[in-house]
Amino acid sequence: DSGVTQTPKHLITATGQRVTLRCSPRSGDLSVYWYQQSLDQGLQFLIQYYNGEERAKGNILERFSAQQFPDLHSELNLSSLELGDSALYFCASSVAEFPRNEQFFGPGTRLTVL
Amino acid sequence: GENVEQHPSTLSVQEGDSAVIKCTYSDSASNYFPWYKQELGKGPQLIIDIRSNVGEKKDQRIAVTLNKTAKHFSLHITETQPEDSAVYFCAANSNSGYALNFGKGTSLLVTP
Repeated sequence: DSGVTQTPKHLITATGQRVTLRCSPRSGDLSVYWYQQSLDQGLQFLIQYYNGEERAKGNILERFSAQQFPDLHSELNLSSLELGDSALYFCASSVAEFPRNEQFFGPGTRLTVL
Repeated sequence: GENVEQHPSTLSVQEGDSAVIKCTYSDSASNYFPWYKQELGKGPQLIIDIRSNVGEKKDQRIAVTLNKTAKHFSLHITETQPEDSAVYFCAANSNSGYALNFGKGTSLLVTP
């Protein structure tokens, strides 16, 4: 158990809908990273927050957004969902701002868009 | 952006044999190289990492080597066991410093 929690574990929804994925980092970790894992693209970095502020953006679509709250939990919002958004979404956390320290991954949320 | 290539994509070994997975990266500014193990239905688990000021690091049956000149690093698993069967990912931090770029993964199967 990495100490990172994600909810829900599974999510099934329809095209055009909006969903919210939630992540709680390990105790003491200030950075939260979101990744998307699909069969053809592998693990893709989406976005990072550090202590409530956005730090970096990767291959994140404009339909996706995220935020980190004062209690350091984070939410990833996915809107206008398309079939191709079906994937595993992972949250990871680390102590520091830069990923030169260990990143610990949560168990993931499996999103299925029908 | 940073590109991380990983080979092989699948690897099958017999229990007790060694397994080697290799990765190359493109950005000479990368200085942190973790390896993750992902079992079915679980998130990636950090198993070992290496920083650019070190050429080799060992942790029991697992070792990682880094060649900064050639921009490649490798994971070595000795005395493999069936429970080592999983997908292994290498990664390197990006030139921005904020993200990890992952290889496509190696599916390792250890047969008894």
